[in-house]
Amino acid sequence: GENVEQHPSTLSVQEGDSAVIKCTYSDSASNYFPWYKQELGKRPQLIIDIRSNVGEKKDQRIAVTLNKTAKHFSLHITETQPEDSAVYFCAARGGSNYKLTFGKGTLLTVNP
Amino acid sequence: DGGITQSPKYLFRKEGQNVTLSCEQNLNHDAMYWYRQDPGQGLRLIYYSQIVNDFQKGDIAEGYSVSREKKESFPLTVTSAQKNPTAFYLCASSPEQGSNQPQHFGDGTRLSIL
Repeated sequence: GENVEQHPSTLSVQEGDSAVIKCTYSDSASNYFPWYKQELGKRPQLIIDIRSNVGEKKDQRIAVTLNKTAKHFSLHITETQPEDSAVYFCAARGGSNYKLTFGKGTLLTVNP
Repeated sequence: DGGITQSPKYLFRKEGQNVTLSCEQNLNHDAMYWYRQDPGQGLRLIYYSQIVNDFQKGDIAEGYSVSREKKESFPLTVTSAQKNPTAFYLCASSPEQGSNQPQHFGDGTRLSIL
């Protein structure tokens, strides 16, 4: 089955800096890669997603890049703000069973 | 997402007891999912259902059971066979299993052992 590795597990940045979170996946047939943000005690919320026919997608301060050859994808947050502090999860949808497999999460702390 | 309602928000289980977590959606989504979240473990799939009266085991189905008698409802029962049930349980839905559409989550139920 699909295996998703996410790094780093914790990330601390100063307000205004950029943050990058990286994920790798194992199933070369995977074709859908969402990113979720989860604040403490709350539901995960989709912040951006990318499909395998696209290499990069941007939404204001957030961007995701996908390298299908290397089987990795990354989340980039620019001009970080304290309200960006949360746990971020990457996920991949495998080509054979359509299940979403999640990474273990990255705790991002943005210091004022 | 206001379209997925989980209840209760907090639940306590006694030794040997079965408990049922409710998940209702009004998004007209075909597919529904149950995940378990433990600290540092991410989200792990327990069961999922593509259509009414059909469901499949996920990665950690042992000690759990589900039903899908109605499109909008997908209750999860944590049985006494689940020896370590303390976790945060999340229900999700998506328009169609296999489609590249995002899953939307409920607010979760936190289950603890008494």
